[in-house]
Amino acid sequence: AQTVTQSQPEMSVQEAETVTLSCTYDTSESDYYLFWYKQPPSRQMILVIRQEAYKQQNATENRFSVNFQKAAKSFSLKISDSQLGDAAMYFCAYPGANSKLTFGKGITLSVRP
Amino acid sequence: DAGVTQSPTHLIKTRGQQVTLRCSPISGHKSVSWYQQVLGQGPQFIFQYYEKEERGRGNFPDRFSARQFPNYSSELNVNALLLGDSALYLCASSLGPGRPYEQYFGPGTRLTVT
Repeated sequence: AQTVTQSQPEMSVQEAETVTLSCTYDTSESDYYLFWYKQPPSRQMILVIRQEAYKQQNATENRFSVNFQKAAKSFSLKISDSQLGDAAMYFCAYPGANSKLTFGKGITLSVRP
Repeated sequence: DAGVTQSPTHLIKTRGQQVTLRCSPISGHKSVSWYQQVLGQGPQFIFQYYEKEERGRGNFPDRFSARQFPNYSSELNVNALLLGDSALYLCASSLGPGRPYEQYFGPGTRLTVT
């Protein structure tokens, strides 16, 4: 069974600065995906970025990028030029068989103006 | 295009009662999954349905059941409610059951059991 661990419950960042959210996972599979989801206070969960394990290149979506270390089973999210709207809970997730998502406990990110 | 919709938004029930939560997927999506999110935690997988068949079940008691209708909407039923069932119930839809398919989440139903 896959496990996802997010050990930082809370983080804070100054507006316009960069923050990195950590995630580790465990799996016996060799080909898989990893996701970061954002859940703002309005509750709607949205996909921020995805990484395919077979790709060497780290995924990037505008201000969001990942640092994917397959051997270390690490999958961190970097948010550059942080904005007030980035304040939310962020979840690292592993899609297993039939798209069943295994989520970490999440991290609450606050952005200071 | 309309996203995933869920009803009701909020619900308050008493221990021992039964509850039905509803989900309408994005048009064209044939797979629906249900998750339970306890306050401050990550969502936990409950069920997945694809083409009206159960494709996966999480570690939840038999008090939890679900079904998918011919129009791909879905209902989650919980019997004999316990205080511990209080949570946000999320529905997610996707084109199919395979892992590359992105899951789109609804706003959730907040269930409070007193």
